[in-house]
This record gives sequence, structure tokens and C-alpha cells, in this order.
Amino acid sequence: KAGVTQTPRYLIKTRGQQVTLSCSPISGHRSVSWYQQTPGQGLQFLFEYFSETQRNKGNFPGRFSGRQFSNSRSEMNVSTLELGDSALYLCASSMDRSTGELFFGEGSRLTVL
Amino acid sequence: GEDVEQSLFLSVREGDSSVINCTYTDSSSTYLYWYKQEPGAGLQLLTYIFSNMDMKQDQRLTVLLNKKDKHLSLRIADTQTGDSAIYFCAERSNTDKLIFGTGTRLQVFP
Repeated sequence: KAGVTQTPRYLIKTRGQQVTLSCSPISGHRSVSWYQQTPGQGLQFLFEYFSETQRNKGNFPGRFSGRQFSNSRSEMNVSTLELGDSALYLCASSMDRSTGELFFGEGSRLTVL
Repeated sequence: GEDVEQSLFLSVREGDSSVINCTYTDSSSTYLYWYKQEPGAGLQLLTYIFSNMDMKQDQRLTVLLNKKDKHLSLRIADTQTGDSAIYFCAERSNTDKLIFGTGTRLQVFP
């Protein structure tokens, strides 16, 4: 069974640009969550999608958005990039909420110059 | 509020036991988790425990939960160099989000 796949793995952008990251969950998993990981702040929850609906949201500005498609694949978008957005963006999928087990992808490392 | 704290570093000798500690604040947490992150990789779930349990053992891993003190620990028996990684504890908040600790970097030396 394939794991969670995130693309691209690495990318470099400049301030003011926007970026879209993609996540394909494990087959059969309907929930997708996104986290931002930085050395200073650790893992911060961005949002969770289930059946194409945002089910939960963290404390990030509106520049961070996401969506989920009917095949459970998810994308997140960051507009008007800032230097502080440089981070590892992790996607995690889960089957349901009963145990809350999350299966993580390897992440997309974004560098903003 | 929701907050999970861990010590930043732990260094042990190969073959010894490692104990990684975590404190959390949300007394309504239903599940608590331990994840492992190796360099350049995502997080891997190691184990989890229901909040109504005190202990869970899984091979070399033992999880202890003191709900009164909101303290969670992960003991790794016979620690190996391959156990070197960052270990995150996480609580499932009452809003169903997973709140992660800052991570403990475990270094195992021969």
C-alpha cells in the first residue's frame, strides 16, 4: 500500500510569490491534515479536510488556504510569501477520527528568499 | 489552553534505556501519541495510549501515563543507534486537532 505522497519535495520561491503544495493520501483515507514544521515553532497545525470540507483550522493567516478533491487528494496554497513561511510542510492522512492515527508524508521543504 | 512540552535533547549509550518525557495541559485529551522523525523524513507513529490507561507496552517501547499530573513518558529498552531521531509526543485536543510537543532529539552513542 503506497504511503502519503507529497509534491514537490523541495522548492525555492521569492517573497511575494505564491506556492501550491500537493498531497495524495493513503488509498482509502478520507481525512487530510496539514502541518507546518519550523525549528523555532515546532509542528503547527494548519487545517484538516474530510470529504472535501474543511473540518478544522489552525491559527494561520488567510494567506494559507487549502482544498480537498473528490479523490481525497489535497492541495495547500500560500500566497504573498514571506521569509517566515520557509518551513517543512507536512501532510498527514487518516482513515477516521476514532484513534486519530496520522500517517505522514515526507514533506515539502519550502525556502523563501 | 493547549500546550505540550518536552525536553529538547537526550543522549544515551547504546544498550541503555532511554526515557523521554512530555507534559501536556489539556485534561480532556482522549488519546496521546508518540511519533518518531528521522532526518529528512516525515513523522512515523510509534504508539498511542488511551487516556484511561496507565501503561502500554509494545516490544521495546513502554508508555506511561500519569493523567493526574498530565505527564506522559516513552521508555525505549535496549536503545540502538537506529533509534537516534526526534521524538514527538502529541495530544488529541477536545477540538480533535493533534497538538505536538517541540520534540526531543535522542542521540545514541556507541
